[in-house]
Amino acid sequence: QVQLVQSGAEVKKPGASVKVSCEASGYIFIDYYMHWVRQAPGQGFEWMGWINPNSGDTDYAQKFQGRVTMTRDTSINTAYMEVSRLRSDDTAVYYCARGSEITGTTTGFDPWGQGTLVTVSS
Amino acid sequence: EIVLTQSPGTLSLSPGERATLSCRASQSVSSNYLAWYQQKPGQAPRLLIYGASSRATGIPDRLSGSGSGTDFTLTISRLEPEDFAVYYCQQYGNSPRTFGQGTKVEIK
Repeated sequence: QVQLVQSGAEVKKPGASVKVSCEASGYIFIDYYMHWVRQAPGQGFEWMGWINPNSGDTDYAQKFQGRVTMTRDTSINTAYMEVSRLRSDDTAVYYCARGSEITGTTTGFDPWGQGTLVTVSS
Repeated sequence: EIVLTQSPGTLSLSPGERATLSCRASQSVSSNYLAWYQQKPGQAPRLLIYGASSRATGIPDRLSGSGSGTDFTLTISRLEPEDFAVYYCQQYGNSPRTFGQGTKVEIK
């Protein structure tokens, strides 16, 4: 079955960086966009951007440009999302989510990874 | 950026009742690229509806989506115990993708 498995929880100090991984299985990794979304405690969802695993092209939400980097390693079907210069308000659960097929029908995000809690605290 | 406003914030209903959730966009959603998700405590969201009205794989037909342009609706015809959760709408036709703030469906 299609599955996304993320790396474990992280605790970071303000100003540090964090890199979250998302391993895909059950489908052809390079055929689908991968999105990253975060959810602060008790809050709604904030879309961060996507990566095209085939080309490596990215599109970041303006809010995160210059502070977020999305990459991938096609040899191990894994996407990565790194946030630099962390602040306390970056504390959130970070999700990867499979998007639309790159050359197919445009759909929603399905499935989502289990989420990675990133806590930023001094 | 397209702002999505969901209403009501909380819906208190009994099992077997009908639930109607609304999602209104600040501008027209491109190609009706509007999705609905369900989230339960401690879990990742699950896709229910995409393209405003297409059910995702495995979603029962008691859930249905409708609407176009700026006004969209998720209807649950008869609430089952597993339907009590928070529901979010999302537009994915424009960048940035945006989400509504959610509607909680709770047991009355």
